[in-house]
Amino acid sequence: EPEVTQTPSHQVTQMGQEVILRCVPISNHLYFYWYRQILGQKVEFLVSFYNNEISEKSEIFDDQFSVERPDGSNFTLKIRSTKLEDSAMYFCASSEMAAEAVDTQYFGPGTRLTVL
Amino acid sequence: RKEVEQDPGPFNVPEGATVAFNCTYSNSASQSFFWYRQDCRKEPKLLMSVYSSGNEDGRFTAQLNRASQYISLLIRDSKLSDSATYLCVVQSNDYKLSFGAGTTVTVRA
Repeated sequence: EPEVTQTPSHQVTQMGQEVILRCVPISNHLYFYWYRQILGQKVEFLVSFYNNEISEKSEIFDDQFSVERPDGSNFTLKIRSTKLEDSAMYFCASSEMAAEAVDTQYFGPGTRLTVL
Repeated sequence: RKEVEQDPGPFNVPEGATVAFNCTYSNSASQSFFWYRQDCRKEPKLLMSVYSSGNEDGRFTAQLNRASQYISLLIRDSKLSDSATYLCVVQSNDYKLSFGAGTTVTVRA
């Protein structure tokens, strides 16, 4: 069964450093997403991406964040200058965006980001 | 008001019992509704979509009440493997998902 993959599984970084989190969505999917979950809290939407551009972003997704689809398979989230409060699990998701069906999003296993 | 509110539980039930819980959502324009389950420190996994007429998938039954803006999940004949956090998820017309904080269910032998 096709699945979303993410690397690395765990990233430790120093405050102020840049990190890039990588995702490979399911191959025939057209919509891509990033969510985050701070330990003990709910999953929060960050950004959605379609047709090589951001379609929606939340208040969390400020100028420190950017997304990119550098090639036909990868989808990346970059945090330019990490803060302690960026420590969280970051989930990538993708969906097929079938026009007449409920659009189900499938999640990757996540990258645990720890900012020291 | 939170977009999606859930009873956090925990619901501690014996194997074989029935457990049910609800969530409410604030955006009346919400389009699609789901229950995901999340095991500790893992990704959310789709359990089932929720349709207006109510739907069943094996031991799991979901109901949607658009007028009252609530969604329910019922688990029959609970198994140890049903122990997890159940996330109520609502999708608006911009396709982003809004998650509840989750309801924790623990099934004991």
